[in-house]
Amino acid sequence: QVQLVQSGAEVKKPGSSVKVSCKASGGTFSSYAISWVRQAPGQGLEWMGGIIPIFGTANYAQKFQGRVTITADESTSTAYMELSSLRSEDTAVYYCAREVRSFGVVIAFDYWGQGTLVTVSS
Amino acid sequence: QSALTQPASVSGSPGQSITISCTGTSSDVGSYNLVSWYQQHPGKAPKLMIYEVSKRPSGVSNRFSGSKSGNTASLTISGLQAEDEADYYCCSYAGSSPCVFGGGTKLTVL
Repeated sequence: QVQLVQSGAEVKKPGSSVKVSCKASGGTFSSYAISWVRQAPGQGLEWMGGIIPIFGTANYAQKFQGRVTITADESTSTAYMELSSLRSEDTAVYYCAREVRSFGVVIAFDYWGQGTLVTVSS
Repeated sequence: QSALTQPASVSGSPGQSITISCTGTSSDVGSYNLVSWYQQHPGKAPKLMIYEVSKRPSGVSNRFSGSKSGNTASLTISGLQAEDEADYYCCSYAGSSPCVFGGGTKLTVL
């Protein structure tokens, strides 16, 4: 049974950065990919980007290009999402999720972390 | 990439069936049979209910079914139960993006 456990809530100042972790257990970390999805208060879900740990390559939603960095450490089975130049609109719950892929294409997210609330406030 | 369009809310009585629509374009829903649906209870992480338009993951009730016609995908829940009350989100592969989500639909069980 795959389990994704995320780091705790964060409060950040505008202009700063935040780094959220997602530790995986069960399964083989290097054999699957991780995406990050965020949800602003009372709003819908938004895909931010993803990474395939075994390749170390990440891809990002155009909206977050240049501001988000997704990395993975195979030795600790942990994925990270760092968002910089934070503004109040980045206040949201950030989720990591395991990608289900078929022929290299993401077809779903089957396991999710519990979410990490990031609050951006002066 | 614009979000997919879902009704803000739907409702139904226990035992009834409801359908939630998810409308995209020929660049996403209309081009790929890669629509998934997620159920989210308040304060909880989303849960995968349907993938590849109509497939159910192990453990998901067969009361949940999915379909697609043209640029619109649909999630149908039959035999509504109180525990089905939640927010539902669709997601479609869109070529340049692995997932464009819908705005979400709040299901109320009357």
